[in-house]
Amino acid sequence: EIVLTQSPGTLSLSPGERATLSCRASQSVSSSYLAWYQQKPGQAPRLLIYGASSRATGIPDRFSGSGSGTDFTLTISRLEPEDFAVYYCQQYGSSPPTFTFGPGTKVDIK
Amino acid sequence: QEQLQQSGPGLVKPSQTLSLTCAISGDSVSSNNATWNWIRQSPSRGLEWLGRTYYRSKWYNDYAVSVKSRVTINPDTSKNQFSLQLTSVTPEDTAVYYCARVQRGTAAFDIWGQGTMVTVSS
Repeated sequence: EIVLTQSPGTLSLSPGERATLSCRASQSVSSSYLAWYQQKPGQAPRLLIYGASSRATGIPDRFSGSGSGTDFTLTISRLEPEDFAVYYCQQYGSSPPTFTFGPGTKVDIK
Repeated sequence: QEQLQQSGPGLVKPSQTLSLTCAISGDSVSSNNATWNWIRQSPSRGLEWLGRTYYRSKWYNDYAVSVKSRVTINPDTSKNQFSLQLTSVTPEDTAVYYCARVQRGTAAFDIWGQGTMVTVSS
């Protein structure tokens, strides 16, 4: 089973700053099957990025995804107040079919 | 606009069966372009995918290895919904349970239910 590791665990930044979040897989992941989510307290996760770099419907262009193989990155170009939240990466493996999530990175206000 | 609405009890006794339902609006459980999933989240286990049901000329199910012996996910075409049953629950099954959709070709959960906090306790 592929294990996802996210770093850092917590990222303390100010509004307007750039956030760079990392997701590392224990084995190579198809770029088509890597996604990123944002979760705020008391809410369900919200899909931001799928296919490693495609923004989901309605997601602002300050969110971007990149990477391949075992190393993937979510970048928030300029943090808005509503962006302070926990971010998860997720991968899909087909044999057997399974979805796994990383432990999350919390982006909080410095 | 697609929405998922969850229902079910928030308290289940140990050794009993956890049952939740997810009603779909704006899409169809029988769609050939989606899969219908259950995911749970707890502080100790994080986000954990439990399984899915989907229709591709016939019905299919896939389940996570960790719960495979205890989980059943069923579609209900008459009500356009799907359900989760988890048998022989223990306190370790205490979590927020979510239903979610994956659109074909994306391998990502784009629509989520509101979540149901389920506590396993006597």
